[in-house]
Amino acid sequence: GENVEQHPSTLSVQEGDSAVIKCTYSDSASNYFPWYKQELGKRPQLIIDIRSNVGEKKDQRIAVTLNKTAKHFSLHITETQPEDSAVYFCAASIGGSYIPTFGRGTSLIVHP
Amino acid sequence: ETGVTQTPRHLVMGMTNKKSLKCEQHLGHNAMYWYKQSAKKPLELMFVYNFKEQTENNSVPSRFSPECPNSSHLFLHLHTLQPEDSALYLCASSQAAGALSGANVLTFGAGSRLTVL
Repeated sequence: GENVEQHPSTLSVQEGDSAVIKCTYSDSASNYFPWYKQELGKRPQLIIDIRSNVGEKKDQRIAVTLNKTAKHFSLHITETQPEDSAVYFCAASIGGSYIPTFGRGTSLIVHP
Repeated sequence: ETGVTQTPRHLVMGMTNKKSLKCEQHLGHNAMYWYKQSAKKPLELMFVYNFKEQTENNSVPSRFSPECPNSSHLFLHLHTLQPEDSALYLCASSQAAGALSGANVLTFGAGSRLTVL
C-alpha cells in the first residue's frame, strides 16, 4: 500500500519568513496529492491540491511542487502569519483512486 | 444542518461494551470515510465506501465493523475494544472516490473522541 513520509514533524518560524514542508510517497501510481490544514481543536480542511500531470501549483501565499520521478512533493508558505499556525498534513492517493493516505503531519508555529 | 455531523462527540466505553459511532452528511456526496486520529499515527485510513460499496479496508481489526446503509449515513460499530483503540475517529465525505473523480476534496466531521477503559 501507499506509504507517505512527512518532514519535519515540527517547524518554528518568525512571522514573515517562509516555511517548507516536504513529503515522499512510495506508490508510483499515485496521481493526486492534497494538503490539509488542521487548526487546534478543529477538523482538517483542504488548502491546496495537485495532480500528477502538473509540476507546480500556486494559490496566493501557498504553493506546491511535485517531482514524480523522485516521488516527492512539497508545500511552500511565503510571508507566514500567526494564523498559519496549525498542523499540516500531506497526502498521496492510493494508486489512481484519489483516496488520500496521509503523512504524520507537521506542526507549524509562526511566532509574531 | 449542512456538512458532516458525527455523534456522539465523546464516548467512554469498557472493553466488553458494544457501541456505535454515527456519521451523516447532507452534501450530496457519494463517498464516505472513517479515519482514526491518534498521537502515534495521525489520520489513519480505516474504511472507504463509494456509492454504498466498501472499496477500502485498511487492515482494520474485526472489532471495528463499518456499515453504510445509504450514501448519507455511515456507522462504525465497536465491540471488545482495547485501550490502544482510544483515539479521535473522524468521518469524512467527498463527491466520489475513484479514478473518474478528477480530484477528491474530503469534508471532515468534527470527530468522535473515544476512550476505552
